[in-house]
Amino acid sequence: EIVMTQSPDTLSVSPGERATLSCRASQSVSSNLAWYQQRPGQAPRLLIYGASTRATGIPARFSGSGSGTEFTLTISSLQSEDFAVYYCQEYHNWPPITFGQGTRLEIK
Amino acid sequence: EVQLVQSGAEVKKPGESLKISCAASGHSVSAYWIAWVRQMPGKGLEWMGIIYPGDSTTTYSPSFQGQVTISADKSITTAYLQWSGLKSSDSAMYYCAVTAGSAWVTWGQGTLVTVSS
Repeated sequence: EIVMTQSPDTLSVSPGERATLSCRASQSVSSNLAWYQQRPGQAPRLLIYGASTRATGIPARFSGSGSGTEFTLTISSLQSEDFAVYYCQEYHNWPPITFGQGTRLEIK
Repeated sequence: EVQLVQSGAEVKKPGESLKISCAASGHSVSAYWIAWVRQMPGKGLEWMGIIYPGDSTTTYSPSFQGQVTISADKSITTAYLQWSGLKSSDSAMYYCAVTAGSAWVTWGQGTLVTVSS
């Protein structure tokens, strides 16, 4: 089973600044990587799939990069609604399907 | 676009049975797989299993194999998650989500299950 590890566990950033979140896979998942945002009290929402493609309706300030085992989610200029928990997920040879443990993005 | 509507919150006693549902609708819904995810209070997302309603092909996460049953009704494109004997440790939010084979494009609103004596 592929293990997904996100870093850091918590990231404190000021509004308007850039946030960079990382996700590492224990073995190559090619570009079969998605990012999800979960706001408090809400269901997760797909942000990025294929490692770098924004899902429908996702603002351009969200971008994804990477392939193989190292991936990054960048939020270029943080808005108040962006403070949430972010999960990466691999879907390389599913099932099984694994998520990272999540990164909590909080206001500095 | 596919929409998912989950059944409402449940409060049960240990040992009781429960079946919650996830109804899918929208364009090409028959081509999608439906997955179930557990989120315990204050914790992350855990994949439980996945089903293809078209032929009820089902795969479970090893962590949940034998603990729950996933089923579907093709005619109404609805997936179910069932317990035969709930434990307090089953208290969690349960989400369904759909995939056509890659990322999970749409999620249900979640069903909160509380198991308490």
